[in-house]
Amino acid sequence: AQSVTQPDIHITVSEGASLELRCNYSYGATPYLFWYVQSPGQGLQLLLKYFSGDTLVQGIKGFEAEFKRSQSSFNLRKPSVHWSDAAEYFCAVYSWGKLQFGAGTQVVVTP
Amino acid sequence: EAQVTQNPRYLITVTGKKLTVTCSQNMNHEYMSWYRQDPGLGLRQIYYSMNVEVTDKGDVPEGYKVSRKEKRNFPLILESPSPNQTSLYFCASSLEAAGANVLTFGAGSRLTVL
Repeated sequence: AQSVTQPDIHITVSEGASLELRCNYSYGATPYLFWYVQSPGQGLQLLLKYFSGDTLVQGIKGFEAEFKRSQSSFNLRKPSVHWSDAAEYFCAVYSWGKLQFGAGTQVVVTP
Repeated sequence: EAQVTQNPRYLITVTGKKLTVTCSQNMNHEYMSWYRQDPGLGLRQIYYSMNVEVTDKGDVPEGYKVSRKEKRNFPLILESPSPNQTSLYFCASSLEAAGANVLTFGAGSRLTVL
């Protein structure tokens, strides 16, 4: 069955430290991949997307993600986290007409 | 401003009392969709619409109805709400009838069914 897995439910990171959020998918073909962010009380905002081409994708707010076909992964990274990055992050995968979201990773940023 | 507007943003109701959550977009998008968000489950698709008069079930359609009589509106109808429909609901739209396009989300509607 097709699935999207975000192994980390909750991550705590210090302001200024680096952040990496994991996303693994299980699909028959290479899907289209997305990362969305949800700030408290808000809807979802697109951070970045991967359709094809360069496997390292740059997004908004200083985020980037790398697609690794061999590992079926699309991990999100940020070199230096700001307090405003505290939010919930969702990986999403589109394939064969269906967009499926992971369960989300809650990021807490400490001073 | 290009946006997806949902109403109401917050609603508390009782079991069995029919309710409608409205969704409207001003971007002339073809594709619209409803999701529910529950802790630990992420977003699950309820229904989607490829275009006017075309709707289809998502992963969790039970207990919900939708209609797409005009391009801009995609209301979500709960004919007889039950407590297990207590959730945060999001409407979203995209330019074309394919999820590979970027979705624009509404701000969400928090529904509590007592």
